[in-house]
Amino acid sequence: GAVVSQHPSWVICKSGTSVKIECRSLDFQATTMFWYRQFPKQSLMLMATSNEGSKATYEQGVEKDKFLINHASLTLSTLTVTSAHPEDSSFYICSARWEDRGVLFFGEGSRLTVL
Amino acid sequence: GENVEQHPSTLSVQEGDSAVIKCTYSDSASNYFPWYKQELGKGPQLIIDIRSNVGEKKDQRIAVTLNKTAKHFSLHITETQPEDSAVYFCAASKDSGYSTLTFGKGTMLLVSP
Repeated sequence: GAVVSQHPSWVICKSGTSVKIECRSLDFQATTMFWYRQFPKQSLMLMATSNEGSKATYEQGVEKDKFLINHASLTLSTLTVTSAHPEDSSFYICSARWEDRGVLFFGEGSRLTVL
Repeated sequence: GENVEQHPSTLSVQEGDSAVIKCTYSDSASNYFPWYKQELGKGPQLIIDIRSNVGEKKDQRIAVTLNKTAKHFSLHITETQPEDSAVYFCAASKDSGYSTLTFGKGTMLLVSP
């Protein structure tokens, strides 16, 4: 199946620093990518929709100045958590839509821990 | 908007038994229904999907059925194995998958040897 690579898989940072997470579609082009956040034992919460070459669309309640999304190419989207605080600690997962099939493939997730 | 309900929240079976997870959706315009398996600490993995132009789809030990009239769809796993233990999510989408997916809350499946 199609592969979506997410990096880093885990990161620990100090409060106040910024962290960047990369999401790459390895064997297909993805005009649209999505960023999710998942709390323990809960479902996936959509944060934003990332469209190549245009601004991301954020879900209600998600601070766009805190969670910066860039989708500069058809295979790469990045999520930057700015001025991270302990409450931002979570599991962040990206997904990419394989446009030819309308199917969504997920990355392996990134565990962020803010001290 | 779309609302997807998933049951049960947890399911324990013995190895070799069958497991069934059920989901209902609210938006009759939804026409794409994928199922994802998420192992601990990993991202969700697409295991099977179905579109509203078919009622059933099989892939080895897993199958999905869709009842458009009742607006529910189910995942069936036969001859379960311990490695099937994971959280399973159903989802629904309009526009054949080109609209945002709405996920169920997940089912934790535990297969005991």
